[in-house]
Amino acid sequence: AQTVTQSQPEMSVQEAETVTLSCTYDTSENNYYLFWYKQPPSRQMILVIRQEAYKQQNATENRFSVNFQKAAKSFSLKISDSQLGDTAMYFCAFLYLYNNNDMRFGAGTRLTVKP
Amino acid sequence: EPEVTQTPSHQVTQMGQEVILRCVPISNHLYFYWYRQILGQKVEFLVSFYNNEISEKSEIFDDQFSVERPDGSNFTLKIRSTKLEDSAMYFCASSDGTLYYNEQFFGPGTRLTVL
Repeated sequence: AQTVTQSQPEMSVQEAETVTLSCTYDTSENNYYLFWYKQPPSRQMILVIRQEAYKQQNATENRFSVNFQKAAKSFSLKISDSQLGDTAMYFCAFLYLYNNNDMRFGAGTRLTVKP
Repeated sequence: EPEVTQTPSHQVTQMGQEVILRCVPISNHLYFYWYRQILGQKVEFLVSFYNNEISEKSEIFDDQFSVERPDGSNFTLKIRSTKLEDSAMYFCASSDGTLYYNEQFFGPGTRLTVL
């Protein structure tokens, strides 16, 4: 079974600085997707960034980028130039390519951006 | 931009009572999901639904749970006889199935409190 681990329950960062959230996962599969979701307080989860396991290039979306290390089964999220609106819970998630139904989430990291 | 909506935002019920959580997925989406998040724990997959039937369910989704798409817009999760341990946030999600993977869009969640 696939498991996703986020070892940092809480983190904080100063506005405009860079922060990295960690995620590791365990799977015997070779074809899968990894995601970072953001859940602002009292709001729904929204997709931040996606990585296909078959792609070696790390995904980037504006200030958000990932460091995908497939052999190490590591998928960290880097937020550059942190903004107050980045304050949220961040969930790492795994989805097997051939079973697009059962998304596995990590426990989440609560990020606070301080002014 | 279309969003997944859920009602109610908070439901309080007595143990043993039946509850129905409602979701309105994005209108052209074909795949529907329920997840739950017990306070302080990770988001867990419950069930996926496609073409008017369950396509996948987790071990959490026992006989006390059922899902239904009673009309063209709503997608419901019913818990027949609630237990204290059913207290959690319940998230609905939907996807359109046109991408090579099913990107899931989440609703804001319903907080269920069982007393």
